[in-house]
Amino acid sequence: AQSVTQPDIHITVSEGASLELRCNYSYGATPYLFWYVQSPGQGLQLLLKYFSGDTLVQGIKGFEAEFKRSQSSFNLRKPSVHWSDAAEYFCAVGLIQGAQKLVFGQGTRLTINP
Amino acid sequence: SQTIHQWPATLVQPVGSPLSLECTVEGTSNPNLYWYRQAAGRGLQLLFYSVGIGQISSEVPQNLSASRPQDRQFILSSKKLLLSDSGFYLCAWTRQGYGYTFGSGTRLTVV
Repeated sequence: AQSVTQPDIHITVSEGASLELRCNYSYGATPYLFWYVQSPGQGLQLLLKYFSGDTLVQGIKGFEAEFKRSQSSFNLRKPSVHWSDAAEYFCAVGLIQGAQKLVFGQGTRLTINP
Repeated sequence: SQTIHQWPATLVQPVGSPLSLECTVEGTSNPNLYWYRQAAGRGLQLLFYSVGIGQISSEVPQNLSASRPQDRQFILSSKKLLLSDSGFYLCAWTRQGYGYTFGSGTRLTVV
């Protein structure tokens, strides 16, 4: 069965520091990959997506992610975080076949220290 | 451009009461539609999805049901709410190559 693992439930970084959020997936083929961000009480906003092609994907708000097929990973990075980046981050796998369901990881909560 | 509308934003309902949450999509046709639930402090669980009018698939057995009476309308319902139905409900749509777009969510509290 398809699954997504975000190993870090909660991460705290200082403002201006670099960030990497980990995501590993299990899927029988190359999936569609997504990172979403959720502020408290809000819906999900798409940060970036990978369908095919260049494995380094640029997203909004200065985020990027790299697809590594050999490691089944799609880690999210940002060189310098801002206080406004504090939120919950979800990695997701989009299943290409059938109903194209989206399978989410459990999320990583990011706290920013001033 | 495509937009997705979800309402109400917040709902407080007593145990045993009925539920109806509505989601509509504009600017596209024949989308795949999804209902997700997010329990407090947890990830998102897919509840239902639909690939066409009248076609509903359930991912988990539960107290809820879904319907798709029109191409771009997706409704989540319950005849009698349970305390365990509390959570944040999100509607989403996709079409091949478009990615997934989520509504703003409904916070349901069953009391």
